[in-house]
Amino acid sequence: AQRVTQPEKLLSVFKGAPVELKCNYSYSGSPELFWYVQYSRQRLQLLLRHISRESIKGFTADLNKGETSFHLKKPFAQEEDSAMYYCALKSGNMLTFGGGTRLMVKP
Amino acid sequence: KAGVTQTPRYLIKTRGQQVTLSCSPISGHRSVSWYQQTPGQGLQFLFEYFSETQRNKGNFPGRFSGRQFSNSRSEMNVSTLELGDSALYLCASSLGTGQLNLRNTEAFFGQGTRLTVV
Repeated sequence: AQRVTQPEKLLSVFKGAPVELKCNYSYSGSPELFWYVQYSRQRLQLLLRHISRESIKGFTADLNKGETSFHLKKPFAQEEDSAMYYCALKSGNMLTFGGGTRLMVKP
Repeated sequence: KAGVTQTPRYLIKTRGQQVTLSCSPISGHRSVSWYQQTPGQGLQFLFEYFSETQRNKGNFPGRFSGRQFSNSRSEMNVSTLELGDSALYLCASSLGTGQLNLRNTEAFFGQGTRLTVV
């Protein structure tokens, strides 16, 4: 069975500091991984997916199959990045989510 | 284009009652998935419907059921409500063909229905 773990429930950084939100997964097949973000009072929305290897809002995430990780990184955090971040693994059309990490960016 | 619409946004029900939640997917999307979000358990997959057929099912009791109509709209039903069913229920739609490409892999979420069981 697949599993996604986000070890930090809360991550607090100052504006301009680097950010790394950790995500580890366990899955027997070839993983398809995503990061979703939920800003205050907004719906859950896709931030980025590993297959496109894109950078969105300055965030990047690299799939490391050896370490079974898909950490989300941003070199310089902004206050508007404050939100809940969920790592998710897709199997078929089912998403398995991690517990989420609340990122707080302080001025 | 219009996003995923869930109705109602809020519901208060009494233990033992049943409830039906509705989800209208994005036009052209044929897959609708339902998730339960609680502070303790996080986001958990309930089931997925594609072309009116349940294609995937999570680990929830039989009190949780759903269906999908020919226009891809979906309903979720919970019978014999328990206090622990209080949660935010999210619906997500996608093209759902299952092929691994950028267009088909993205799930779009609704705002959710917040169910409170008292």
